[in-house]
Amino acid sequence: DGGITQSPKYLFRKEGQNVTLSCEQNLNHDAMYWYRQDPGQGLRLIYYSQIVNDFQKGDIAEGYSVSREKKESFPLTVTSAQKNPTAFYLCATKPRGTEGSEQYFGPGTRLTVT
Amino acid sequence: KQEVTQIPAALSVPEGENLVLNCSFTDSAIYNLQWFRQDPGKGLTSLLLIQSSQREQTSGRLNASLDKSSGRSTLYIAASQPGDSATYLCAVYGSSNTGKLIFGQGTTLQVKP
Repeated sequence: DGGITQSPKYLFRKEGQNVTLSCEQNLNHDAMYWYRQDPGQGLRLIYYSQIVNDFQKGDIAEGYSVSREKKESFPLTVTSAQKNPTAFYLCATKPRGTEGSEQYFGPGTRLTVT
Repeated sequence: KQEVTQIPAALSVPEGENLVLNCSFTDSAIYNLQWFRQDPGKGLTSLLLIQSSQREQTSGRLNASLDKSSGRSTLYIAASQPGDSATYLCAVYGSSNTGKLIFGQGTTLQVKP
């Protein structure tokens, strides 16, 4: 059963704590992406990776970190430096450099920091 | 900097109506454009992908058009049903190599029985 798994679905943390969101895929896609969605808004790109052991900052990378040690996994850490971490986080994948290929999204993780 | 705008922000229609959702972008040098559907609290489901060389794509009751020169795309939904109620997001690919998507804010559609 191919797809993208994000866990957990809901996550609650206290202010000042780091938290890591999981994203796993078995679609054999090279590229992976992390987006953030705030209420009533579209998605904004946090980080992306086009190949293992390489990743680039998106538009709102401050306060976040990522790693890409395996093709199947692209975890996102929300650090205490992120000023407004409460949001809905979505992971996506895409075949790298394939013309006409579309991006596929996971079910998302809703993070609440109090 | 590329900006994507969707109008209206919300739309309510009776069942059976045909409707059009609008998406505009500021930089016509886009690669591809993708329309998504999002149900409350869920991830995104891809509806249609329009490549830069195409002018439209169709899937069932959905038809999406792309006019790069004017910076516009429309999503046409025929014979709307209550199950079509969701938020519809438009996103443009600024580059073929990175796959980075730039999203509009979405249009929330309610189809009343």
